[in-house]
Amino acid sequence: QVQLVESGGGVVQPGRSLRLSCAASGFPFRSYAMHWVRQAPGKGLQWVAVIRYDGSDKYYADSVKGRFTISRDNSKSTLYLEMNSLRVEDTAVYYCAREKASSVLSDAVDVWGQGTLVTVSS
Amino acid sequence: EIVLTQSPATLSLSPGERATLSCRASQSISNYLVWYQQKPGQAPRLLIYDTSNRATGIPARFSGSGSGTDFTLTISSLEPEDFAVYYCQQRSVWPLTFGGGTKVEIK
Repeated sequence: QVQLVESGGGVVQPGRSLRLSCAASGFPFRSYAMHWVRQAPGKGLQWVAVIRYDGSDKYYADSVKGRFTISRDNSKSTLYLEMNSLRVEDTAVYYCAREKASSVLSDAVDVWGQGTLVTVSS
Repeated sequence: EIVLTQSPATLSLSPGERATLSCRASQSISNYLVWYQQKPGQAPRLLIYDTSNRATGIPARFSGSGSGTDFTLTISSLEPEDFAVYYCQQRSVWPLTFGGGTKVEIK
């Protein structure tokens, strides 16, 4: 079945780096744009970043631009989020998500992972 | 960036009642408005895309309407499983943005 599984979360000190991964299965990963969305504890959803199916376009939320990098390895069906210069306010559950339609960018997302918790604390 | 304002923050209703949730955008987003449902401890679920199109498997009691800056999600008759938080999202302009959410709780 279609599945997304995030990993790489944990506790990290402010200013440090962390890389999240999202392993996809059950669909042609190379054909779909992918997103990262986060949710701080007890708060709402915040969109973080998107990457086109072929990696040629990337967009970021203003709050993470210049610090976070989204990437993908289509040969491994894996999405990544490299997070540098982490701040306390980056503490959240990070979800990866797949767009509903293939070969487009900025569609609604219809498949979500279970999320991985990133805690930034000294 | 486009700001989405959802109202009310909390809606207290009984099963069988009609729920009307609002989402207002700070500028026109045409019909590029999406609704998600989220239950505690779960990932969000796609309900409605492009204002009024139900996602696969979504019951007909969920409907969406609106255009430009004002949008509505209606649940015609609340079922016990519908009590959750609902988020709107715009996909018209980068960066994508979500509204703050409306919690539909049991009265």
